[in-house]
Amino acid sequence: EAGVTQFPSHSVIEKGQTVTLRCDPISGHDNLYWYRRVMGKEIKFLLHFVKESKQDESGMPNNRFLAERTGGTYSTLKVQPAELEDSGVYFCASSPDRGLPNEKLFFGSGTQLSVL
Amino acid sequence: AQSVTQLGSHVSVSEGALVLLRCNYSSSVPPYLFWYVQYPNQGLQLLLKYTSAATLVKGINGFEAEFKKSETSFHLTKPSAHMSDAAEYFCAVINPGGNEKLTFGTGTRLTIIP
Repeated sequence: EAGVTQFPSHSVIEKGQTVTLRCDPISGHDNLYWYRRVMGKEIKFLLHFVKESKQDESGMPNNRFLAERTGGTYSTLKVQPAELEDSGVYFCASSPDRGLPNEKLFFGSGTQLSVL
Repeated sequence: AQSVTQLGSHVSVSEGALVLLRCNYSSSVPPYLFWYVQYPNQGLQLLLKYTSAATLVKGINGFEAEFKKSETSFHLTKPSAHMSDAAEYFCAVINPGGNEKLTFGTGTRLTIIP
C-alpha cells in the first residue's frame, strides 16, 4: 500500500513567486492535514480537510496561503506570493478516522520550501 | 491551551548507552501524549502514545515512555542505543476534550556515537 506522497520534495523559489505543493493521501483516507515546520521550531497545524471540505483552517498563516482538495482526493497548498518567512518543511498527513487519539495518522516525508 | 517543551534540541549518546529524551507538557485537562520519529528523508512515524491507560507505554524499536502527572512529563527512553536510532524525535500532545490538532514540541535530534 502506498503511503502519503508529497511533491516536490524540495522547492527553491524567489520572494514574490508562486509555489504549489501537492499531497496524495493514502487511498480511502477522508481526513487530510497540513502541518508546517519553520526552521528549528515546532511543527504547527495549518488545516484539516474531511473529504473535500475544510474542517478547520485556523492554522493558516494568512491569505497568501490557499489549500484545496479536489474531489476529496489529493490536496494542493499554494503560496502566492511567497515571502521569506514561508520557508520551512510542509508536512501532509492523512487518516481514515476522525476523533482521538488518532493513532492512524500517517505522515508524508514533507516538502522543503526555501524562499530566497 | 496545551503545549509541549522538549529540552535539548540535540542529544548525543554512545552506541549501547541509555537514550533519554525529555518532554514536558502543559494542559488544562489530562492529555493524550505521543512521540513521533522522523528518520532521514522519511515522514513522521508514531513511536508510541499515552491515552490514559497504563502510565508506562511501550513503543516500537525498544522505546518506552512514562507518563508522570506530578512532573507533567513524558520522557522517552531506550536502554541501549543503536546506530539506527539516529533521527529526530518529536513529542506531541492532544487535548482529548478539545479539537483534534496535534501540538508538537520543537524536536530533538538524536546522534549515536559509534
